[in-house]
Amino acid sequence: DAKTTQPPSMDCAEGRAANLPCNHSTISGNEYVYWYRQIHSQGPQYIIHGLKNNETNEMASLIITEDRKSSTLILPHATLRDTAVYYCIVRVVWNNNAGNMLTFGGGTRLMVKP
Amino acid sequence: KAGVTQTPRYLIKTRGQQVTLSCSPISGHRSVSWYQQTPGQGLQFLFEYFSETQRNKGNFPGRFSGRQFSNSRSEMNVSTLELGDSALYLCASSREGAEAFFGQGTRLTVV
Repeated sequence: DAKTTQPPSMDCAEGRAANLPCNHSTISGNEYVYWYRQIHSQGPQYIIHGLKNNETNEMASLIITEDRKSSTLILPHATLRDTAVYYCIVRVVWNNNAGNMLTFGGGTRLMVKP
Repeated sequence: KAGVTQTPRYLIKTRGQQVTLSCSPISGHRSVSWYQQTPGQGLQFLFEYFSETQRNKGNFPGRFSGRQFSNSRSEMNVSTLELGDSALYLCASSREGAEAFFGQGTRLTVV
């Protein structure tokens, strides 16, 4: 799976949008971008994933650049409960032989401040 | 529906002992993966099981092993425990090719 690069930490004011960038310049055509977050001492929580189109769900939006070399996770109205480590992961999905292994990097520690 | 359940949540063991951790996946999920999380190394993949067969394996010594049963429940075993095995052990389950859902983990302390 391709490697990702994320800033180690970010701050965001409560109620404002949190924009978390991820660079995946070596992504392959059959690799998806996945985002997970981990609140202190809990298991990682799935947020969203996408291939090349922008995606939105009840938790967040995912914006992927046209060349697919980077993406941004957007939390539209950050709350204190969004304070967590956010992981950007790229992985092949539609290859059954590849399995479901996830390769985690260091992630971005997002601190939402009142 | 019920999420991924890991037992026990906390465990204290002595060096040299062995330990078995259990994971019950979400109903219908046939893939179960195990991860180790430590402050120094972060989240690292241990192994994945699918239909009772190990499909992928991370870079861990042979002291770390696992298995999956016909109902998709999985166990992982660590033999001859070392202080460095102290970690949060996480289990994740998924349908084939779909997103993984994680349990709350088992925090193992080796003294």
